[in-house]
Amino acid sequence: SYDLTQSLAVSVALGQTATITCGGNNIGNENVHWYQQKPGQAPVLVIFRDTNRPSGIPARFSGSNSGNTATLTISGAQAGDEADYYCQVSGTTAWVFGGGTKLTVL
Amino acid sequence: QVQLVQSGAEVKRPGASVKVSCTASGYNFGNFRIAWVRQAPGQGLEWMGWISGYNGETKSAQSLQDRVTMTTDTSTGTTYMELRSLRSDDTAIYYCARGVDSGRLGMDYWGQGTLVTVSS
Repeated sequence: SYDLTQSLAVSVALGQTATITCGGNNIGNENVHWYQQKPGQAPVLVIFRDTNRPSGIPARFSGSNSGNTATLTISGAQAGDEADYYCQVSGTTAWVFGGGTKLTVL
Repeated sequence: QVQLVQSGAEVKRPGASVKVSCTASGYNFGNFRIAWVRQAPGQGLEWMGWISGYNGETKSAQSLQDRVTMTTDTSTGTTYMELRSLRSDDTAIYYCARGVDSGRLGMDYWGQGTLVTVSS
C-alpha cells in the first residue's frame, strides 16, 4: 500500500506563514489534494491536483508537489485557519489519506 | 446546488451489518464517482472505497474489501455503503464525497456524515 506521512502538529503565529508537508515515495508523480477539517465538520477541499484552489478558497492557500514531498502553504495564517489538514492521493488502485496535521494559530 | 445528504445515525451490535445511504442532487450523477471515507473518534480520515455513478464499477480498500459493498440507484441518485460483520473499531463517522474526474481532481463535495456506533 502507498503511505503518506504528515507531521502530527504545526504551529504558526497569527499572520505568519504555515507550511504543512506530506511525504510519500515519488509523490511528485501523483495528484495530491489537501483537505481542511474543523471540529465537528466534514472535510473541505482546499487544494486539488497539487496547486489548484477550488472556488471560494482564499488565495493565501497554495500547494506544491515535487520529488517525495507535497506541501500546503498558508500565507498570512488567520485564526480561522486553525484546523486539521489532510493530504490525499487518488491512485489508480487506491485512494490514500495522510494521517493529518493539526495546525495551531498562536 | 450540489448536495450529498446522508442517512441518520445508527447503533449496531457487534457482528451485525449497517447500510448507509447518500443521496446526491444538483449535478449529473453519472459523471462522477462517490467515495466513502470514515473517521473513528479522535482519528484521521480513512478511505473506504468508491463507486462509479456511470457504470457501478467499484474499488474498495484492501483492509475492508471482504466486508464492504457499495451500490447505486441511478434512478434516485442514491449510493449505498453496506459494512458487514461490524466490530467495535468500526465505530466512526462515515462520509460520502463526490470524486471529480475519477478522483484526479479530489473530492469536492461531502455529505454531512453518519455516525455509526457499534456496541454490545
